[in-house]
Amino acid sequence: AQRVTQPEKLLSVFKGAPVELKCNYSYSGSPELFWYVQYSRQRLQLLLRHISRESIKGFTADLNKGETSFHLKKPFAQEEDSAMYYCALMDAGGTSYGKLTFGQGTILTVHP
Amino acid sequence: NAGVTQTPKFQVLKTGQSMTLQCAQDMNHNSMYWYRQDPGMGLRLIYYSASEGTTDKGEVPNGYNVSRLNKREFSLRLESAAPSQTSVYFCASRVKQRGGSEQYFGPGTRLTVT
Repeated sequence: AQRVTQPEKLLSVFKGAPVELKCNYSYSGSPELFWYVQYSRQRLQLLLRHISRESIKGFTADLNKGETSFHLKKPFAQEEDSAMYYCALMDAGGTSYGKLTFGQGTILTVHP
Repeated sequence: NAGVTQTPKFQVLKTGQSMTLQCAQDMNHNSMYWYRQDPGMGLRLIYYSASEGTTDKGEVPNGYNVSRLNKREFSLRLESAAPSQTSVYFCASRVKQRGGSEQYFGPGTRLTVT
């Protein structure tokens, strides 16, 4: 069975400090990994997916298959980054129908 | 485009009452999903519909039923609500693109069962 673990429920940093939100997964197939973000009182929205290898709002995430990790990083945190972050996994095979398995979520608070 | 819409936004039910949560998307997506969000547990898949006319169970289907009324609409029904179903419910639809896939989420329905 696939599983996504986000070990930190809460993470606090000061503005301008680097931030890393951890995500580990267990899955024997070919996974597709995502980071979703939920700002206060807003719906979940896609932040990053590993396939795109892009940087969004200064965030990057690299898939490390050896360590089965997909940590989210930003070198200089901003107050507007404060939100709930979810790591999610999808089986990239044809029969998954796009189902996502989510981690427990990490609440990031960036202090001024 | 409104994207994914959900009604109602909030609902309070008594134990044993029934209700239907409505979801609609105007993006012509084939696949739709219902999740529940609980503190410390992330989002868990209740049911999904890979395409119009098909539905299937997710991780936590007990106590729920779904209907894929047409390509746009996917409703979630609680036949006899229980306090354990107090949660925030999110509907999502999915687009498959060349660069991968993406799920678009609705604003959520906050349900309290007393």
